[in-house]
Amino acid sequence: TQLLEQSPQFLSIQEGENLTVYCNSSSVFSSLQWYRQEPGEGPVLLVTVVTGGEVKKLKRLTFQFGDARKDSSLHITAAQPGDTGLYLCAGETGANNLFFGTGTRLTVIP
Amino acid sequence: DTAVSQTPKYLVTQMGNDKSIKCEQNLGHDTMYWYKQDSKKFLKIMFSYNNKELIINETVPNRFSPKSPDKAHLNLHINSLELGDSAVYFCASSQDRGGGYTFGSGTRLTVV
Repeated sequence: TQLLEQSPQFLSIQEGENLTVYCNSSSVFSSLQWYRQEPGEGPVLLVTVVTGGEVKKLKRLTFQFGDARKDSSLHITAAQPGDTGLYLCAGETGANNLFFGTGTRLTVIP
Repeated sequence: DTAVSQTPKYLVTQMGNDKSIKCEQNLGHDTMYWYKQDSKKFLKIMFSYNNKELIINETVPNRFSPKSPDKAHLNLHINSLELGDSAVYFCASSQDRGGGYTFGSGTRLTVV
């Protein structure tokens, strides 16, 4: 089992603030995915990054894959209450092997 | 039209019982999965299955068994339920490597 550590585990911020979530591992991944999960629902895919150093932007969310393909970050600009949720990174090591991180629970206070 | 649907949403049962959770996907994906999410929200792979190969996480007790009648269905059968089996179980499917997984909305299993 590959271990992906996310930090922080919990994050509570005011609306309009910026934040960064980190996902770190000692393993190399062929792709790194980010999901958001809301209560009572399954995780929903936000983005997939596959190339070391790759940066992808999704509106106010910026995702980066580390050069060595072992880590990733998620940066949210001007957070909104609708961003509240559990953010999960997940690394793929090969076909049909997706391992999830420990999760970051984000609360954005209006 | 739900992409990955699993039933039931909630399941409360006594220790020692046998139960099944059903999962269906209408995405035409080749691979389906079962994940277990514990009380700390950690998601752990239990099984992955396509029409060629079943991969079992070695930490999963053999009381758990996936059953796939066809490519669109992967059911989870659990024998002799134990208190520690209480968790939320998610079904998921995917097509290509790196293409992302689509998850169902989960089944909350409570063993009493």
